[in-house]
Amino acid sequence: DAGVTQSPTHLIKTRGQQVTLRCSPKSGHDTVSWYQQALGQGPQFIFQYYEEEERQRGNFPDRFSGHQFPNYSSELNVNALLLGDSALYLCASSVGSGEKLFFGSGTQLSVL
Amino acid sequence: KNQVEQSPQSLIILEGKNCTLQCNYTVSPFSNLRWYKQDTGRGPVSLTIMTFSENTKSNGRYTATLDADTKQSSLHITASQLSDSASYICVVSAGVTGGGNKLTFGTGTQLKVEL
Repeated sequence: DAGVTQSPTHLIKTRGQQVTLRCSPKSGHDTVSWYQQALGQGPQFIFQYYEEEERQRGNFPDRFSGHQFPNYSSELNVNALLLGDSALYLCASSVGSGEKLFFGSGTQLSVL
Repeated sequence: KNQVEQSPQSLIILEGKNCTLQCNYTVSPFSNLRWYKQDTGRGPVSLTIMTFSENTKSNGRYTATLDADTKQSSLHITASQLSDSASYICVVSAGVTGGGNKLTFGTGTQLKVEL
């Protein structure tokens, strides 16, 4: 049973570009949450998707958008990249708002 | 504003020694408290989850305690191993109107175990 898988593992972009990160949840999970983790900091909640809709959102600008597909996989899109968007982006899946949250290994995004 | 504060920020101990990490929180309404272990460049892995009514929970050499009155939690690691070197993150869950929960993450304690 594969856990939460994220792709790509590493990504380098330049300022102003757009990026799409992908996440496949753990088998049987229907809810996907995205987090941004800057170096030396704890993860910051971006948003959560359930039943293909954004259910909760953290304090992130509209440049951050997402999508959930019928198979529960999800994408995180970031437009007009800034240097400050450089971080580890984590995807976590769960069953509904269940207590057990499983994280992927993350996508390390570097914006130059 | 919901906040989770962890101490110390970093810690170095010798292999085989014990250590205790601290977590103080101001999160309302409290739902549960979780401890995660995060290896460098990897996603966090759950160690323990405690609800309001639980004041201790163990997972192997890891033992978490919770004092809901003082809003404090600790993670005790016994007989440390080199593989315990990681960041340990305290996460507190708050109930959200309409169902669901909202997680507040601490910044973590960076533990290094040396020979």
